Amino acid sequence: DTAVSQTPKYLVTQMGNDKSIKCEQNLGHDTMYWYKQDSKKFLKIMFSYNNKELIINETVPNRFSPKSPDKAHLNLHINSLELGDSAVYFCASSQEPPAGNNEQFFGPGTRLTVL
Amino acid sequence: GEDVEQSLFLSVREGDSSVINCTYTDSSSTYLYWYKQEPGAGLQLLTYIFSNMDMKQDQRLTVLLNKKDKHLSLRIADTQTGDSAIYFCAESEYNFNKFYFGSGTKLNVKP
Repeated sequence: DTAVSQTPKYLVTQMGNDKSIKCEQNLGHDTMYWYKQDSKKFLKIMFSYNNKELIINETVPNRFSPKSPDKAHLNLHINSLELGDSAVYFCASSQEPPAGNNEQFFGPGTRLTVL
Repeated sequence: GEDVEQSLFLSVREGDSSVINCTYTDSSSTYLYWYKQEPGAGLQLLTYIFSNMDMKQDQRLTVLLNKKDKHLSLRIADTQTGDSAIYFCAESEYNFNKFYFGSGTKLNVKP
């Protein structure tokens, strides 16, 4: 049973396109996250939702829009893709919001390549 | 709270101890974590320590926290080749719903 799943695993697309990455967790967690990991492996939080409400919104271009239709899903839509968006995007979930004792469970990642 | 720093690389021989260091700047950090990322995979939580503790031991892992110097370390005893991975420290801040990862330390274990 996959706890946190992401689709697609790989995404190759042209500059200027719009794409979405989907994330689902079956752990019953209240909080979900999107992270971006660049080619140097730096991992940066982008967004976090708790009970479908946005609680963390770091400095991210507004071309990135998260959507949480329910607690188990947090999708990431990216408009007008740029070369610098190429990275691995990780979804994660946790029972508690980030402030607490917060074990996050990560998905396998989506490798986005913008040509 | 955003400055969580680690050295980028560490190389050890199998059977030796590894010590991975992390420094953070925010004194309001509540929990400090160590995550492991194996190649091509997401991160997995290894252990965590609450900010009012100095030390935590969990089998081969020992976490030391020096609050005065804002320094966190992870010691892996009897390092194995399967421990080769990137290790991230992270901090969360109780009042601000913030969570920050360090830059990650790539541990290479040589047979």
